[in-house]
Amino acid sequence: GAVVSQHPSRVICKSGTSVKIECRSLDFQATTMFWYRQFPKQSLMLMATSNEGSKATYEQGVEKDKFLINHASLTLSTLTVTSAHPEDSSFYICSAAPGSRVHEQYFGPGTRLTVT
Amino acid sequence: TQLLEQSPQFLSIQEGENLTVYCNSSSVFSSLQWYRQEPGEGPVLLVTVVTGGEVKKLKRLTFQFGDARKDSSLHITAAQPGDTGLYLCAGGAGGTSYGKLTFGQGTILTVHP
Repeated sequence: GAVVSQHPSRVICKSGTSVKIECRSLDFQATTMFWYRQFPKQSLMLMATSNEGSKATYEQGVEKDKFLINHASLTLSTLTVTSAHPEDSSFYICSAAPGSRVHEQYFGPGTRLTVT
Repeated sequence: TQLLEQSPQFLSIQEGENLTVYCNSSSVFSSLQWYRQEPGEGPVLLVTVVTGGEVKKLKRLTFQFGDARKDSSLHITAAQPGDTGLYLCAGGAGGTSYGKLTFGQGTILTVHP
């Protein structure tokens, strides 16, 4: 149990375009999901907390208008990178926690974004 | 802001050796998670500890949560090449930040056959 999926696993886009990444909890409901960014051989950096039915909470330094988050249902959150630039190239990972065990987060397999 | 210092950052050992990874903070965490991550994949949860002084064992891995819930350690006995990967500790926040995880910098472990 506690499986989280992400789609797509890899995406290449041109500068100036937008890219949407989906995060789904497959066998549990998640009122809260988290979006992280990870650079090679580094730890995870929390970007934002996605709350079902309400606005996302962004970490300091993360541009809300650039990284749009929508938590449409208890099993789906999306991250849209708008007007992508090469410096947005990174590994994006989402996580979700089942029920009340919010610290016991399960991570998706990640999405490798390359902006050319 | 809660910080979690993880050490060492890099560890290269021979098969059969033992090792310990540490995570330390000046802050108290409501829980401490350990994850293992392979390149190009998401982190996989190994264990969650919530009680000060708690010790959990997972085969050759032993996890300990400090009495004051500010630090944790991961000990691997008789390491194998399959243990190679990035190990991450993450502290769970309470209060208004409930649910948020603070990650350590990670430890890249390489076990040579």
